[in-house]
Amino acid sequence: DAKTTQPPSMDCAEGRAANLPCNHSTISGNEYVYWYRQIHSQGPQYIIHGLKNNETNEMASLIITEDRKSSTLILPHATLRDTAVYYCIVRAGGSQGNLIFGKGTKLSVKP
Amino acid sequence: NAGVTQTPKFRVLKTGQSMTLLCAQDMNHEYMYWYRQDPGMGLRLIHYSVGEGTTAKGEVPDGYNVSRLKKQNFLLGLESAAPSQTSVYFCASRSTTGTLNTEAFFGQGTRLTVV
Repeated sequence: DAKTTQPPSMDCAEGRAANLPCNHSTISGNEYVYWYRQIHSQGPQYIIHGLKNNETNEMASLIITEDRKSSTLILPHATLRDTAVYYCIVRAGGSQGNLIFGKGTKLSVKP
Repeated sequence: NAGVTQTPKFRVLKTGQSMTLLCAQDMNHEYMYWYRQDPGMGLRLIHYSVGEGTTAKGEVPDGYNVSRLKKQNFLLGLESAAPSQTSVYFCASRSTTGTLNTEAFFGQGTRLTVV
C-alpha cells in the first residue's frame, strides 16, 4: 500500500472551512484514498473515500487531484466537535489491502 | 446493532502474565483486524483475519497470537505480557461484499497497562 504524508497539526476557526491536505505521490491505479478521524481516544471513525472523482457526503468533501498524487479533505463548517486527528490512508480496492495508519493531522478547531 | 465490541475496556497486567482480548462484531463482516496505538502515534496493525479460521500477520505481530474460530469473534492473546505491550488496542471489522470498498468499523478500544 502507498504511503501518505500529512502535516502534523492544523488550526481552524469555528464555522470556517477546514482543508486538510494529504500527499500520496506513489499511489497506484487500484488504490483508493480513505479518510478516518479519531476523536480523543475513541476508535477511528470513517469519513469518506474516493478513487479519482471528487466525493461528498454529509460529513465532508474529498478533492483528489487529476494525477491522484494528492488530495484534500474539506470540512465545510468546522465545529469544536471536529477537533480530532485525521488520517489519510490509501488502500487497494476490493478485498485486498489493509488500512495502514500514519500519524495523521491533529486538527484543532478554535472558538 | 452493537457494531464492534471489545472486552475488557481496561486491564492491568503484571509482567509475564497472559490474557486474551475479545473482539465481537454483529455485522457479519468477513475481515477483522487488531491494532495497537501508542501515545502520539497512529494505529499499527498487529494481526488480521480475512475469514473464519484464517489469520495473518500485520506490521507488529511479535508477542501476540490470534484466533478466529467463529466469524463474529477475533481474539488477541498475549502469552507473556511485557511492559512494551502497554498500549491501547483497537479491533476493527470490514465487509467485502457490496461495493467491495467498504469502510472499517472500529471498537472503542482496550487500554492495557503491563507493570
